[in-house]
Amino acid sequence: DQQVKQNSPSLSVQEGRISILNCDYTNSMFDYFLWYKKYPAEGPTFLISISSIKDKNEDGRFTVFLNKSAKHLSLHIVPSQPGDSAVYFCAGDPINQGGKLIFGQGTELSVKP
Amino acid sequence: DTGVSQDPRHKITKRGQNVTFRCDPISEHNRLYWYRQTLGQGPEFLTYFQNEAQLEKSRLLSDRFSAERPKGSFSTLEIQRTEQGDSAMYLCASSLNDAGNTIYFGEGSWLTVV
Repeated sequence: DQQVKQNSPSLSVQEGRISILNCDYTNSMFDYFLWYKKYPAEGPTFLISISSIKDKNEDGRFTVFLNKSAKHLSLHIVPSQPGDSAVYFCAGDPINQGGKLIFGQGTELSVKP
Repeated sequence: DTGVSQDPRHKITKRGQNVTFRCDPISEHNRLYWYRQTLGQGPEFLTYFQNEAQLEKSRLLSDRFSAERPKGSFSTLEIQRTEQGDSAMYLCASSLNDAGNTIYFGEGSWLTVV
């Protein structure tokens, strides 16, 4: 059974500081991992992804790190801005599953001015 | 706007009624997905299409649910004899065929069954 877990339901960070959002997965049959950001009553917005053969991917203020031995990935946001306040979802894209994403439960990030 | 479009955005219906949601994917995307999200949970996969072919259906998709993509462009998701447990946000997403291509979501259709 393939599972993706986000064990922290919420995170509060001061504006300008680093936000670190964590995600764990339970087996190695994922091709890609993706991070989405979601505001209330809206659909998820794609942020950044990483291939399972890489350790790091960076896009502007967003960096995703993948630790395959620990089956752990993290999203770093630097510097954090109040507009980053939203729910962040980690998702795994299983190999040969046609893009059927498996999502974590989400972490609500609050960036305080 | 060339993103994934869903209609209606909100629907309130009485238990036992049928509802239908429509999704227009990004125009060049040949894969289309339906997900469901309830409060406090991440989106859960329901079904997906490659062009007009429905390739997989989740165990979550009971017999009361049916999805179509007749011409390989827009898709509809119909729920018959709605139940209160069907209340959720129904999300449509689309992507290109190749592995690693990003899956883009629409803004969702909120269903409330009263």
